[in-house]
Amino acid sequence: NAGVTQTPKFQVLKTGQSMTLQCAQDMNHNSMYWYRQDPGMGLRLIYYSASEGTTDKGEVPNGYNVSRLNKREFSLRLESAAPSQTSVYFCASSENWETQYFGPGTRLLVL
Amino acid sequence: GENVGLHLPTLSVQEGDNSIINCAYSNSASDYFIWYKQESGKGPQFIIDIRSNMDKRQGQRVTVLLNKTVKHLSLQIAATQPGDSAVYFCVTGAGSYQLTFGKGTKLSVIP
Repeated sequence: NAGVTQTPKFQVLKTGQSMTLQCAQDMNHNSMYWYRQDPGMGLRLIYYSASEGTTDKGEVPNGYNVSRLNKREFSLRLESAAPSQTSVYFCASSENWETQYFGPGTRLLVL
Repeated sequence: GENVGLHLPTLSVQEGDNSIINCAYSNSASDYFIWYKQESGKGPQFIIDIRSNMDKRQGQRVTVLLNKTVKHLSLQIAATQPGDSAVYFCVTGAGSYQLTFGKGTKLSVIP
């Protein structure tokens, strides 16, 4: 099992450009999450999907949208990237709301 | 809001010694506690968890202690090895999908 996979690994954007970060899990988990991690900080929740067909805002949702495409896949979209969105983005999944398993991250630089 | 903090941002330990990483939390509603390990350039990795109805739980070389009276959590690593060098996050949950991450403690193991 690959666990949680994320694409791309690295991305450089110009201010105002859009992009979608992809996440997939093969553990048949119900819940999926998107976090961002800024230097020297813990992770902050952007959006989560408790189950297929539902999405909810986390702590820092502004500037982002998500889509729970199916049980396996949960994407994060930046419609108009800003330098403040430069960060490392992690996707995670869990069977319930507790133990979450994380992907390797996407490093995003917005110029 | 929740504030999950750490007593020490960095910790240096001699290889073979025991390590203790401390964490203070403020949300009295927290009932689920997790320690994650994050190696450089990787996503957080689950180490061990504990629920509020317990005060101690042991894993392989790791022990988590919970003191709900003073809202304190600690992670003990026995016989610390170079592979234990990482940032360790104290994470709390309060019955929802939104886990709260602390800022992390960087553990450095001296060979």
